[in-house]
Amino acid sequence: KNEVEQSPQNLTAQEGEFITINCSYSVGISALHWLQQHPGGGIVSLFMLSSGKKKHGRLIATINIQEKHSSLHITASHPRDSAVYICAVLSGTASKLTFGTGTRLQVTL
Amino acid sequence: KAGVTQTPRYLIKTRGQQVTLSCSPISGHRSVSWYQQTPGQGLQFLFEYFSETQRNKGNFPGRFSGRQFSNSRSEMNVSTLELGDSALYLCASSLGSGERLGAFFGQGTRLTVV
Repeated sequence: KNEVEQSPQNLTAQEGEFITINCSYSVGISALHWLQQHPGGGIVSLFMLSSGKKKHGRLIATINIQEKHSSLHITASHPRDSAVYICAVLSGTASKLTFGTGTRLQVTL
Repeated sequence: KAGVTQTPRYLIKTRGQQVTLSCSPISGHRSVSWYQQTPGQGLQFLFEYFSETQRNKGNFPGRFSGRQFSNSRSEMNVSTLELGDSALYLCASSLGSGERLGAFFGQGTRLTVV
């Protein structure tokens, strides 16, 4: 079993829909990142969380440390949100990230 | 301020050759981490350097090596290339350790081994 599990693997939504991507992890962590990867490969960090909730524009990320679960929400989705969203955890004192397998999101008009 | 710069962006090599990839971190960042991304295995950690010292290493064979220079620029080297080494290689930089690790990624180097 992977240390970091994401669901769903693939997601298709219509413009304007509310989207939720989930991430569960099985190790103790010091922080969790939500990353966005567009075709072409470059990765952008959307959020870094160690507790609670963060909001940036139409994006909201939450984390529940006790349940070892995080969610990324996109409100009023738009075709430009189409990308792969990756959850990554920084575990304990290790200076490395462990990644989920990613969620491929396609938002259509 | 300039972001994380990886060169080259694309590379085609033949089996058995070796390759060197470069990563220039954001100015002032002392930690550089390397990752391999393949369709089958996803993103996997290769190694992390901090102040010219390898601080952490992933589960990759010894053909994968790296180093960091005094200006924090890092290189990774893959010797005796195999077809399975075809991947997107990403580096990320941060000031030090801790929760900011992973905040800044480069665009990656796409390596194709033929």
